[in-house]
This record gives sequence, structure tokens and C-alpha cells, in this order.
Amino acid sequence: GENVEQHPSTLSVQEGDSAVIKCTYSDSASNYFPWYKQELGKGPQLIIDIRSNVGEKKDQRIAVTLNKTAKHFSLHITETQPEDSAVYFCAASTNFGNEKLTFGTGTRLTIIP
Amino acid sequence: DSGVTQTPKHLITATGQRVTLRCSPRSGDLSVYWYQQSLDQGLQFLIQYYNGEERAKGNILERFSAQQFPDLHSELNLSSLELGDSALYFCASSRDRGNEQYFGPGTRLTVT
Repeated sequence: GENVEQHPSTLSVQEGDSAVIKCTYSDSASNYFPWYKQELGKGPQLIIDIRSNVGEKKDQRIAVTLNKTAKHFSLHITETQPEDSAVYFCAASTNFGNEKLTFGTGTRLTIIP
Repeated sequence: DSGVTQTPKHLITATGQRVTLRCSPRSGDLSVYWYQQSLDQGLQFLIQYYNGEERAKGNILERFSAQQFPDLHSELNLSSLELGDSALYFCASSRDRGNEQYFGPGTRLTVT
């Protein structure tokens, strides 16, 4: 089955700097890669996703890149703000998300004011 | 607010007992997924229902079962509970093929 590895497990950045979280996946059939943000006591919140026919997607300060050859995708957050502090999870799925998500182990991001 | 609701928010029960967790998907969503989040196992897929039918199973224990009703709400039944079943249980829903999964706020289960 699919295996998703996520790095780093913790990340601290100064407010205003950029943060990058990286994930690798094992199943070449995976074609849908969402990113979730989880705040304390809440459920995972979908923040951005990318499908395998696209190399990069951007939404304001958040961007995701996908390298299908290397089976690698990354989340980039620019101009970080204190409210970006949370745990971020990457995930992978086949069938463009209509099947189970396999999650990475999460990255705890702390923004230092 | 994702539009997915889950009840109860918290549940404390003893080993050997049985509990039922409830999920209402977003309006119009046909698929419901159940996930378990624990400190040692992370977020793990349990089971998926689509329009009332079981579609996929993950690492769901035989003591656990689920169903999706005609009004599309779903219930996850956990029986013969063990200490290790203590976790957060999330429900997610999506419309149809090629659509995003939106998560509910979760149910925190504590087995004592």
C-alpha cells in the first residue's frame, strides 16, 4: 500500500519568513495530494490540494509543488503569520481523492513573533 | 466550519463497553470516510461509505463496524473497547469522484 513520509516533524520560523514542508510517497498510482492544517482541538482543515496533471498550484501565501518523477511534493508558506502556527499534514490518494487518504506523520509549525 | 458535524464531542467509557459515534456529512455529499487519529499511529483510514454502500475498508478492527443510513448520516460502532482504542475519531465527507474530503471536528474517545 501507499506510504507517505513527511519532514520535518517540527519547524520554527520567524514571523514573515517562509516555511517549507516536504513529503514523499511510494505508490506511483497516487494522483491527488491534499494538505491539511490542524489546530488544537479541531479537525483537519483542507488548505490546498494538487492533482498529478499539475506541477504547481498557488493560493495567496500558500503554494504546493509536485514532482511526479521523484514522487515528491512540498508545501510552501510565505510571509508567515502567528495564525499559521498549527500541525500540517500531507496526504496522498488514488482516483483523484475519491478513495482513502494516506497521511504523513505531520509537521508542527511554530511561528515566532 | 467544514459543514460536517460529529457527535458527541467527548466520550469517556470503560473497557469492554460499546459506543456509537455519529457523523452528518455536508449537504449533498454522498461519501463518508472514518479516520482514527492516535499519537502512535497518526491519522489512519478506517472505512468509506458511498450512498449507503460500503466502498472501502482500511485497517478497521473486527470489533468496529459502521453504516450509512438513507439520509446519508453515518455511525461508527466500537465494541469490546480496549484502552488502546482511546483516540480521536474523525469523519470526512466528499461529493463524488474527484472531490475534496472535508473533515468534521472529531469525537475524542477515552477508554478507562
